Amino acid sequence: DIQMTQSPSSVSASIGDRVTITCRASQDISTWLVWYQQKPGKAPDLLIYRASSLQTGVPPRFSGSGSGAEFTLTISSLLPEDVAIYYCQQVNSFPRTFGQGTKVEIK
Amino acid sequence: EVRLVQSGGGLVQPGGSLRLSCAASGFTFNEYGMNWVRQAPGKGLEWVSYITSLSSSVYYSDSVKGRFIISRDNDRNSLFLQMDTLRVEDTAVYYCARGNTAFGVWGAGTTVTVSS
Repeated sequence: DIQMTQSPSSVSASIGDRVTITCRASQDISTWLVWYQQKPGKAPDLLIYRASSLQTGVPPRFSGSGSGAEFTLTISSLLPEDVAIYYCQQVNSFPRTFGQGTKVEIK
Repeated sequence: EVRLVQSGGGLVQPGGSLRLSCAASGFTFNEYGMNWVRQAPGKGLEWVSYITSLSSSVYYSDSVKGRFIISRDNDRNSLFLQMDTLRVEDTAVYYCARGNTAFGVWGAGTTVTVSS
């Protein structure tokens, strides 16, 4: 199975700050990487697919990059509504494993 | 409107069974693979199972293989998860989700509690 490791586990940043989350795969997954946002008590929402493609309706302050085994999710200017837990997921093979999540908070 | 409406959760004793349902609307159900994903209390997301659009292939996580069965009825636009031999560690919110290489539509989740 492919293991997904996110860092940091949590980040506290100020409104307007740039926030970067890293996701590492235990093997090469090309660009088969997805990012989700989950707010408390809600189902996850798809943010980014194929490592860097923005899902329709997602604000452009969110962006994804990377290929192979290292990926990043960037929030260019943090807003209060971005407080959530962010998960990466590899979709290169089964089982479709998730990272452990990164909690984003406002400082 | 694209929707996934879930039902079937509840409280069950260890060793018991439960069947989850997920009713789809607003899209052509038989064109999409479907998943079950769960989230234990206070924990992260765990992929559980996937079924292809025409039920030709199914996949399971090791943690549920041999105990859970995923199925679908394309005539009724519905996805199912039959859960047998339930364990305390199966306690979670269970989500159905649409897609193969990106889960773009999610149900609201249904809670399964396994406890004596």
